[in-house]
Amino acid sequence: AQSVTQPDIHITVSEGASLELRCNYSYGATPYLFWYVQSPGQGLQLLLKYFSGDTLVQGIKGFEAEFKRSQSSFNLRKPSVHWSDAAEYFCAVGGGNQGAQKLVFGQGTRLTINP
Amino acid sequence: DAGITQSPRHKVTETGTPVTLRCHQTENHRYMYWYRQDPGHGLRLIHYSYGVKDTDKGEVSDGYSVSRSKTEDFLLTLESATSSQTSVYFCAISEMDTQYFGPGTRLTVL
Repeated sequence: AQSVTQPDIHITVSEGASLELRCNYSYGATPYLFWYVQSPGQGLQLLLKYFSGDTLVQGIKGFEAEFKRSQSSFNLRKPSVHWSDAAEYFCAVGGGNQGAQKLVFGQGTRLTINP
Repeated sequence: DAGITQSPRHKVTETGTPVTLRCHQTENHRYMYWYRQDPGHGLRLIHYSYGVKDTDKGEVSDGYSVSRSKTEDFLLTLESATSSQTSVYFCAISEMDTQYFGPGTRLTVL
């Protein structure tokens, strides 16, 4: 069965500092991987996704993520965070080419930015 | 913007009453989903649909039913609401193997 682990429930970083949010997945075949962001009281917005090809993917808002098959990881990074990045971040895994994809989400990581 | 609306956006109801949440999309997507979001659990799939009148269960389907009589509408029904169904409910559509989410419905069952 698919599963996703986000080991860090809450992370605090200073504005301008670099950020890495961890995501580990379990999936029997080649996974489709996603990162979503949720601001308080809002829906989920897609940051980036990985289906195949280049293992370093670029997303919106200056985020990037790297797929490492050997480590079953898909960590999200940003070189310099802004106060507006404070939000909750969710990693998700789905199976490709299965028609109706059933995403499995991690528990989420809440990001706080110190001024 | 994937053209998804959810109604109502907020609802307070009492234990034992039926509740129906509506998801409406404007772009003729085939696949639609209902998730619930609870602290510490992320989002969990309740039911999904792969076409008109074609639906299937997700991970947490007990106590929920769905219907899809038109492409644009996907309804989630709680037959007899319980306090454990207090949650935020999100609808999603799938486009090119990527899911896009609606704004959510906050449901409180007293």
